[in-house]
Amino acid sequence: GENVEQHPSTLSVQEGDSAVIKCTYSDSASNYFPWYKQELGKRPQLIIDIRSNVGEKKDQRIAVTLNKTAKHFSLHITETQPEDSAVYFCAALMDSNYQLIWGAGTKLIIKP
Amino acid sequence: ETGVTQTPRHLVMGMTNKKSLKCEQHLGHNAMYWYKQSAKKPLELMFVYNFKEQTENNSVPSRFSPECPNSSHLFLHLHTLQPEDSALYLCASSPSWREGLEQYFGPGTRLTVT
Repeated sequence: GENVEQHPSTLSVQEGDSAVIKCTYSDSASNYFPWYKQELGKRPQLIIDIRSNVGEKKDQRIAVTLNKTAKHFSLHITETQPEDSAVYFCAALMDSNYQLIWGAGTKLIIKP
Repeated sequence: ETGVTQTPRHLVMGMTNKKSLKCEQHLGHNAMYWYKQSAKKPLELMFVYNFKEQTENNSVPSRFSPECPNSSHLFLHLHTLQPEDSALYLCASSPSWREGLEQYFGPGTRLTVT
């Protein structure tokens, strides 16, 4: 079946440095790619998303890039802060049944 | 209360018990979802409802039985569960299930099957 692979599973960066999380999807017809953040003990929340008609989208310190040819997309966080510590999930919307296929998550640790 | 709410927040049940999880959304959305979240695994979509009609059932065992009486309420009825069913069960809603739109999650029910 269709799947989304997410790497790394854990990422530890120094406060102030940048963090990059990468996802690869299998359904070439996918056209919507959201990123969700889940803080410890809290619900997942959308932080940014991108559709297939654009290659990059930014929102302050967060950006997402999409390479449809290679079928991968990435989350970039610059100037990381302690509150960025969380688990981040990527997902891809399957064109056949409109279901989101999720990555396994990346635990981001910001070291002070 | 605003957003998506779930009750109970924690549930411990034996394998022979019957219990129900409740989800309510106050966002006027048309689509509601049940997800299972296990540690270090992708979110697993269990059921999707759109305008009270079930649109997806991802090969979920029959010991999980969903119910959607209206667009604002979603239940997950549980019976004869197995220990491997222990997980966080998340409810979510979105304006529409067919489009790539933000899903709003509830806080989840932490289920432990003993």
